[in-house]
Amino acid sequence: DTAVSQTPKYLVTQMGNDKSIKCEQNLGHDTMYWYKQDSKKFLKIMFSYNNKELIINETVPNRFSPKSPDKAHLNLHINSLELGDSAVYFCASSQGSGSEQFFGPGTRLTVL
Amino acid sequence: AQRVTQPEKLLSVFKGAPVELKCNYSYSGSPELFWYVQYSRQRLQLLLRHISRESIKGFTADLNKGETSFHLKKPFAQEEDSAMYYCALRTTGFQKLVFGTGTRLLVSP
Repeated sequence: DTAVSQTPKYLVTQMGNDKSIKCEQNLGHDTMYWYKQDSKKFLKIMFSYNNKELIINETVPNRFSPKSPDKAHLNLHINSLELGDSAVYFCASSQGSGSEQFFGPGTRLTVL
Repeated sequence: AQRVTQPEKLLSVFKGAPVELKCNYSYSGSPELFWYVQYSRQRLQLLLRHISRESIKGFTADLNKGETSFHLKKPFAQEEDSAMYYCALRTTGFQKLVFGTGTRLLVSP
């Protein structure tokens, strides 16, 4: 099944912890993204990688560090989690930055 | 700076009624506009884009550069249209997607 997948689907953790969310796409795309959807359903881009190279960083706190080990993976590591980090995080991919983006199912992060 | 505005958080209509989800944008360049839809418990997916000028699931949207709008329309709403709808603008240069705040469409029987 060709798609964008994310793990875990749900993540509940304490303030101050460090956690990672993984994203994989088997669509053969060269560009991947991370978006954050807050409690009001506002969806905003965080990062974009093209061929493992960072091309968009939307002034996200440096506690957030994306890592792209290869074109098919873009993981998001978050240090020192804060209450405000609670959100749904979506991964997406596309072939080039000008074509349709395909989204993953989302990871709901809850920071207590 | 680029901005996408969806003034309605919730739009509630009866089955068979016409639907118009409003979207206005602000962008100094040449815009590329999209509508994305998120059905309950499903991932976000592209519904349509202005450059293709197509009708998907009965929905159409016309880019009006004079009014800087890209409203989504459907003449007869169906219950299965109930979902969250996001208008998005793609910028030139880094070509990132800028999303509106979304409108929840609720179609009642």
